[in-house]
Amino acid sequence: DAKTTQPPSMDCAEGRAANLPCNHSTISGNEYVYWYRQIHSQGPQYIIHGLKNNETNEMASLIITEDRKSSTLILPHATLRDTAVYYCIETSGSRLTFGEGTQLTVNP
Amino acid sequence: ETGVTQTPRHLVMGMTNKKSLKCEQHLGHNAMYWYKQSAKKPLELMFVYNFKEQTENNSVPSRFSPECPNSSHLFLHLHTLQPEDSALYLCASSQDGGGGGVYEKLFFGSGTQLSVL
Repeated sequence: DAKTTQPPSMDCAEGRAANLPCNHSTISGNEYVYWYRQIHSQGPQYIIHGLKNNETNEMASLIITEDRKSSTLILPHATLRDTAVYYCIETSGSRLTFGEGTQLTVNP
Repeated sequence: ETGVTQTPRHLVMGMTNKKSLKCEQHLGHNAMYWYKQSAKKPLELMFVYNFKEQTENNSVPSRFSPECPNSSHLFLHLHTLQPEDSALYLCASSQDGGGGGVYEKLFFGSGTQLSVL
């Protein structure tokens, strides 16, 4: 699986939208973009995934650019419990290769 | 509660000890995984089991020995570990680890925090 690029850290005010960017400029046609998050001292938690269309579920929205070289995870109303490391992963199979991720801190 | 349970939650062992980590999933999944997360490092995939058969060993030292007696249980047997093996060991499961064009999402346990003295 090719590597993605994410900012190491971001801050967000409670109640505001958190927009987490991810670059995956070498993504191939059959690779999906997956987002996970890891709250301190817990295992990673699946958030959302997509191929080329924008996706939304009860946790977040995923916006993928038309050329598929980047994406943005949106938490519409961030809460303190959303403070975590967020991982953006591109994969075409069962192997998940985790990078450093983005440490999102939601401030009161 | 993710449906994946790991025990023990914390473990301290000496370099000459033998211990085992246990993972159990209640999701009816067919694939199970061991990951290692050292301090300030990304998660590293160690082993993959699909329908009880080991399908991937990511060059893990033989002092780590996995066992998958059935699709619901996964063990990691530890023997003569080194201090650098201290880490958070995470178990995960997915519906199908067969890969292909569509990846099945993983469900992780809370991990076992291992300290080797």
